[in-house]
Amino acid sequence: AQSVTQLGSHVSVSEGALVLLRCNYSSSVPPYLFWYVQYPNQGLQLLLKYTSAATLVKGINGFEAEFKKSETSFHLTKPSAHMSDAAEYFCAVSFGNQFYFGTGTSLTVIP
Amino acid sequence: DVKVTQSSRYLVKRTGEKVFLECVQDMDHENMFWYRQDPGLGLRLIYFSYDVKMKEKGDIPEGYSVSREKKERFSLILESASTNQTSMYLCASSTREKLFFGSGTQLSVL
Repeated sequence: AQSVTQLGSHVSVSEGALVLLRCNYSSSVPPYLFWYVQYPNQGLQLLLKYTSAATLVKGINGFEAEFKKSETSFHLTKPSAHMSDAAEYFCAVSFGNQFYFGTGTSLTVIP
Repeated sequence: DVKVTQSSRYLVKRTGEKVFLECVQDMDHENMFWYRQDPGLGLRLIYFSYDVKMKEKGDIPEGYSVSREKKERFSLILESASTNQTSMYLCASSTREKLFFGSGTQLSVL
């Protein structure tokens, strides 16, 4: 069975500080992994994806994530938080044509 | 760019009403999905479809049905709306490697 666990439903960081959002997955086969972002009053948009190429994936707005098979993790990072990064972030795994989402992490950036 | 369009951004209905949520995609995707999003629960899959006239139940299909008469259109139907169906509804279409979302419909059932 495929599933995604996001540790921490709310994360607060200071502007300029490191952003780390955690995601662990379970999958019986090599997965495709995704991070989506949802800004207030908007739909979800793709931040980055891992599809079995390079394990370090760079996305939009300075975000990146590293696929670690040994830890079954796909944590999202950004070296320096910006006020505009405040949003809801969702980790997802796909298997076949299905996508499975975590429960989301709300990121607050403190000025 | 792929566009997934949901017909209404906000909708207010009364308990017992029949509700139709419409979704149209313009990239000829075979796969389409309906999710509901609730605080603390993330996205939960209601129904999905891999082809015209084909539908499969997701994790929470109770109280919902769907229709896919044309490839580009996937409709979610609440046969008799209830207050516990107040939620944000997200439609999506996909390739193997990416989900494309509409902007969502915030449904309130009073």
